[in-house]
Amino acid sequence: DQQVKQNSPSLSVQEGRISILNCDYTNSMFDYFLWYKKYPAEGPTFLISISSIKDKNEDGRFTVFLNKSAKHLSLHIVPSQPGDSAVYFCAAIYSVSNYQLIWGAGTKLIIKP
Amino acid sequence: DAGITQSPRHKVTETGTPVTLRCHQTENHRYMYWYRQDPGHGLRLIHYSYGVKDTDKGEVSDGYSVSRSKTEDFLLTLESATSSQTSVYFCAIRAGQTGETQYFGPGTRLLVL
Repeated sequence: DQQVKQNSPSLSVQEGRISILNCDYTNSMFDYFLWYKKYPAEGPTFLISISSIKDKNEDGRFTVFLNKSAKHLSLHIVPSQPGDSAVYFCAAIYSVSNYQLIWGAGTKLIIKP
Repeated sequence: DAGITQSPRHKVTETGTPVTLRCHQTENHRYMYWYRQDPGHGLRLIHYSYGVKDTDKGEVSDGYSVSRSKTEDFLLTLESATSSQTSVYFCAIRAGQTGETQYFGPGTRLLVL
């Protein structure tokens, strides 16, 4: 039973436009949500996180929105750049479990020139 | 860069042989994690450690053991490798302002023939 779901395996976006990556979760006890970016043959790189007590967090071109009532979060990248082409993972933590990360399956983002 | 290295980076082995993967960190982090990543899945937790000689099981721990005799090293052992353990293995440490973020090593690609 997947607690964190990324329903879009891939997404293609024009360079300069907004990329929106989505993630749904089932466990209302999660404390934090994180987004990671992964290039082939490399480890995941941390992008941005949000606490469950907030509904928005912004860092440069990246903004994460959290809708707790819908158990949904999204990552917005504006403007999209060619270097953003990668696989993006959504992950969640509940602190009582020793901060174990629960991961979605990932969405491959392709930025078209 | 969280100062995490993994060795070896690539390994090919035969079914039934023992394999040990090493994770080394230079920043004295207390928590360390081993994950595996397979196609169609996000990362899945194998084992984690919350201090020297303190370890616990994750979601997919069967067939794996770990040891942590020093803060800087976390070893993952496959006692008798099977083809189902062909995967990419990532080590991580826990950091961040409130300890919610994990930073990853570059990964070890393991092929069991």
